[in-house]
Amino acid sequence: KQEVTQIPAALSVPEGENLVLNCSFTDSAIYNLQWFRQDPGKGLTSLLLIQSSQREQTSGRLNASLDKSSGRSTLYIAASQPGDSATYLCAVSFGTGNQFYFGTGTSLTVIP
Amino acid sequence: KAGVTQTPRYLIKTRGQQVTLSCSPISGHRSVSWYQQTPGQGLQFLFEYFSETQRNKGNFPGRFSGRQFSNSRSEMNVSTLELGDSALYLCASSLAPGWADTQYFGPGTRLTVL
Repeated sequence: KQEVTQIPAALSVPEGENLVLNCSFTDSAIYNLQWFRQDPGKGLTSLLLIQSSQREQTSGRLNASLDKSSGRSTLYIAASQPGDSATYLCAVSFGTGNQFYFGTGTSLTVIP
Repeated sequence: KAGVTQTPRYLIKTRGQQVTLSCSPISGHRSVSWYQQTPGQGLQFLFEYFSETQRNKGNFPGRFSGRQFSNSRSEMNVSTLELGDSALYLCASSLAPGWADTQYFGPGTRLTVL
């Protein structure tokens, strides 16, 4: 069974701080990995997609890295803002389809 | 460009009833996936459709079924509802199944089973 774990489960930081969210997976034969954010009661918004052949992706203040050999990905958020407060989810696929295995998420609160 | 739309947004049913949820993907997207989200189990994959064919199915009982139409719109059906089926049902669309494809999620349908 594919397992995706996210640590920490919750995180509270003051505005302006840089932070790292962690995602680990049990099977290194991944196809791709996506990071999403989910606001309360809402759907998911894709943040970054890393293909299996890539090591990292960047979008604005976000940087995601992928280390398949160790089964880990990190999402780095620079200069956090209150608007970054949300649940961040990591999702991994292991085949050519769109069947993703999701982690349980990290609930982030950025305090003004 | 319109996003993924799901209808209805909220639904209340009683045990034993059946329910049909609808998902309209982004224009041009041909792959549609469905997920169930609950506080206890998190997000779990239900099934994926591409070109009207089911490509993958998650570990859910046969009471959960789906289909996709020629215009890529998809429906999922849950028969003989149980209390444990109460969840947020999310639909995601992408251009096609593939390793380079970002998935776009709809706002979800909140199903409550009484």
